[in-house]
Amino acid sequence: EAAVTQSPRNKVAVTGGKVTLSCNQTNNHNNMYWYRQDTGHGLRLIHYSYGAGSTEKGDIPDGYKASRPSQENFSLILELATPSQTSVYFCASGTGGVYEQYFGPGTRLTVL
Amino acid sequence: QQQVRQSSQSLTVWEGETAILNCSYENSAFDYFPWYQQFPGEGPALLIAIRSVSDKKEDGRFTIFFNKREKNLSLHIKDSQPGDSATYFCAANYNQGKLIFGQGTKLSIKP
Repeated sequence: EAAVTQSPRNKVAVTGGKVTLSCNQTNNHNNMYWYRQDTGHGLRLIHYSYGAGSTEKGDIPDGYKASRPSQENFSLILELATPSQTSVYFCASGTGGVYEQYFGPGTRLTVL
Repeated sequence: QQQVRQSSQSLTVWEGETAILNCSYENSAFDYFPWYQQFPGEGPALLIAIRSVSDKKEDGRFTIFFNKREKNLSLHIKDSQPGDSATYFCAANYNQGKLIFGQGTKLSIKP
């Protein structure tokens, strides 16, 4: 029973198209995060949220929007996808208080 | 000031040896340092973590040694097993649960 799930697991998009990546958590954590992982860069924080209705910019937010409609769900939106956004995207949830984060399995996005 | 650096992109040790993965940081305000383990095709999984008030944290075969004055830490994996072959990320908390990650060290254990 995976506590953080992501969909889709793989996605191919066209340049200029809109892409929505979804994340669901059953940990009942207040905080949720979106990262991208690229070789040589580790994981970099795109957007995060402290609870339903809130979104905050992370370290590399340009070209991305986020939406947190409920405690369980957190989406990452690429309004106009570009090839530079080809990457693996990870969602995570955390309590905030003890700083632990628990990651989903990732979404591999290819923008052609 | 927000950097976390891992000294090796890759490391190979023999089965049964102790693997040592090194990490350094610049911002003295960082107060929590988790290590994550990632297998190919999976998300990172929290392995072990230490707070800056401690200098050592042990969990089974995994131990973190932390040097606040030198701003570095290391992950020791005793009695390395082939199943420990993975990429390991050092990270640091810099603001209310936000983590900054190192670039990762790919560990290979030779049987």
